[in-house]
Amino acid sequence: GAVVSQHPSRVICKSGTSVKIECRSLDFQATTMFWYRQFPKQSLMLMATSNEGSKATYEQGVEKDKFLINHASLTLSTLTVTSAHPEDSSFYICSARGQAGPGYEQYFGPGTRLTVT
Amino acid sequence: AQSVTQLDSHVSVSEGTPVLLRCNYSSSYSPSLFWYVQHPNKGLQLLLKYTSAATLVKGINGFEAEFKKSETSFHLTKPSAHMSDAAEYFCVVSAVYGNKLVFGAGTILRVKS
Repeated sequence: GAVVSQHPSRVICKSGTSVKIECRSLDFQATTMFWYRQFPKQSLMLMATSNEGSKATYEQGVEKDKFLINHASLTLSTLTVTSAHPEDSSFYICSARGQAGPGYEQYFGPGTRLTVT
Repeated sequence: AQSVTQLDSHVSVSEGTPVLLRCNYSSSYSPSLFWYVQHPNKGLQLLLKYTSAATLVKGINGFEAEFKKSETSFHLTKPSAHMSDAAEYFCVVSAVYGNKLVFGAGTILRVKS
């Protein structure tokens, strides 16, 4: 099956700094990538949808200037949490979707646990 | 708009007994429905999916789910639970296959030996 990786798997940063999380589709081209956030003991909430080469579409209530998303290639999307604060601590999960047809399913990465101290 | 309600936040079964995880959905369009499993500190794994073909869907690891339009349900079942099935399960709906996914709140399955 299709494989999606995330790096890093865990990151601890100080309040006020920025953190970049990478999401890669390893064996297929992802025209669309999605970024989710999961709080402890809660479900996944979609933050934004990004299509390769265009600006991301953010869900209501998600600050686009705080959560910068770049989808510069068909295999890589990045999420940068700018000026992180403790309330940004969460589990961030990406998914990737190929083109129409059998590749239309979303494949999920293993997630990145961010802790802001 | 689409929404998903998982009726049980926690389910506990004994090893070897059947598993039933309940899910009701709401969708303005013909939905695509999925069940995902998440083991601790692991990514989401797709168990099975319904995309308007057969209403009884068989997935991996012996799981299956039945799409019942009249009841707007998509319950997940397994005849015999294994210890390795202990995890959190998410019911997910999408209006268009592969499009924006809406997750249920999750059901934590505990399997007792």
